[in-house]
Amino acid sequence: NAGVTQTPKFRILKIGQSMTLQCTQDMNHNYMYWYRQDPGMGLKLIYYSVGAGITDKGEVPNGYNVSRSTTEDFPLRLELAAPSQTSVYFCATLPGLVGEQFFGPGTRLTVL
Amino acid sequence: AQKITQTQPGMFVQEKEAVTLDCTYDTSDPSYGLFWYKQPSSGEMIFLIYQGSYDQQNATEGRYSLNFQKARKSANLVISASQLGDSAMYFCAMREGLSSGTYKYIFGTGTRLKVLA
Repeated sequence: NAGVTQTPKFRILKIGQSMTLQCTQDMNHNYMYWYRQDPGMGLKLIYYSVGAGITDKGEVPNGYNVSRSTTEDFPLRLELAAPSQTSVYFCATLPGLVGEQFFGPGTRLTVL
Repeated sequence: AQKITQTQPGMFVQEKEAVTLDCTYDTSDPSYGLFWYKQPSSGEMIFLIYQGSYDQQNATEGRYSLNFQKARKSANLVISASQLGDSAMYFCAMREGLSSGTYKYIFGTGTRLKVLA
């Protein structure tokens, strides 16, 4: 099992550009999450999904959009990138009621 | 409001000694979970230990133990016999929303631990 995979690993965007961060899991977990981690800080929840077709906002959703058409994929869309979105983005999954989250390796995004 | 507080931005410990990393939390949800994650300089998030709000005993995993004091709303991580490889950022996190099925997580700001030879 690959677990949670994220692409790309690194990306540099210009202000105003758009991009999609990909997150794919092969563990058949219902719950999926997107976090951002600013330098020297903890993780902040952007969006999460409790199953295919169901998404909800987290603590910092502005400037982002998500979709969950399948159990496996949970892409995060950035529209009109801004320097404040420079961060490391982590995708995570959760199998269910008990257990810990499984994290992807992260995507380091820089907006210039 | 629900939150996690880690008041120690940085800690030093001598190799082979024990160290305690502090974490306090606040929630109105009667059912919640508390987690500790390690983030080495390579950036990945590594799960260390979990404590459920209804667990009677403190959780232990090898050299890691969680000192859970429910009345004081604290969930401190104790690392025994520190090793150089323990140098990393440590995050406390809380899972709540079990009763509503949302299972949202909140992370603290982290404590950077440096183990000295």
